[in-house]
Amino acid sequence: KAGVTQTPRYLIKTRGQQVTLSCSPISGHRSVSWYQQTPGQGLQFLFEYFSETQRNKGNFPGRFSGRQFSNSRSEMNVSTLELGDSALYLCASSLSGQDYNEQFFGPGTRLTVL
Amino acid sequence: AQTVTQSQPEMSVQEAETVTLSCTYDTSESDYYLFWYKQPPSRQMILVIRQEAYKQQNATENRFSVNFQKAAKSFSLKISDSQLGDAAMYFCAYRSYSGGSNYKLTFGKGTLLTVNP
Repeated sequence: KAGVTQTPRYLIKTRGQQVTLSCSPISGHRSVSWYQQTPGQGLQFLFEYFSETQRNKGNFPGRFSGRQFSNSRSEMNVSTLELGDSALYLCASSLSGQDYNEQFFGPGTRLTVL
Repeated sequence: AQTVTQSQPEMSVQEAETVTLSCTYDTSESDYYLFWYKQPPSRQMILVIRQEAYKQQNATENRFSVNFQKAAKSFSLKISDSQLGDAAMYFCAYRSYSGGSNYKLTFGKGTLLTVNP
């Protein structure tokens, strides 16, 4: 079974631009979570989607948004990029998010904002 | 809100020796999950071991075991017979027992483990 895939793996943008990152979960997984990883703040929860609905949201500004499609693939969008948005963005999928379902992480997208 | 603290930014161990990574957490919940994740230089986050708070028995996965002290809110990871492939950043993480709106992982800052040959 294929793992979680994220595209692109690396991205370079300039301040003010917007970016869209994609995450394809493991087949059959319906929950997709996104995390931001930076050296200063560590790993922080962005949001979680289940069955095309945002079920949880972390403490990030409205510039960070996401969506999930009917095939469970998810995208996150960051508008008006700032230098501080440079980070590794990880997505994780699980069966349902209820009880204990292990989260499987993708390899991440490294975003650099210049 | 829950917090997770890893007080050891870096640790090193000799190959074949044993090392223990520390983690403490703060929560007002009685039921939850605790995890140790490993992130090697490839950046792929891998689950090492998990512990359900309602279980008194400490979890074990091959060379990896935990010491879960619920009252002390402590959750340490012991790696026995350390191997070069164990070198990575290790993250302790917390998750509420109930899914739904509480479903998210709260991570510590991580401990960078170096394994010396």
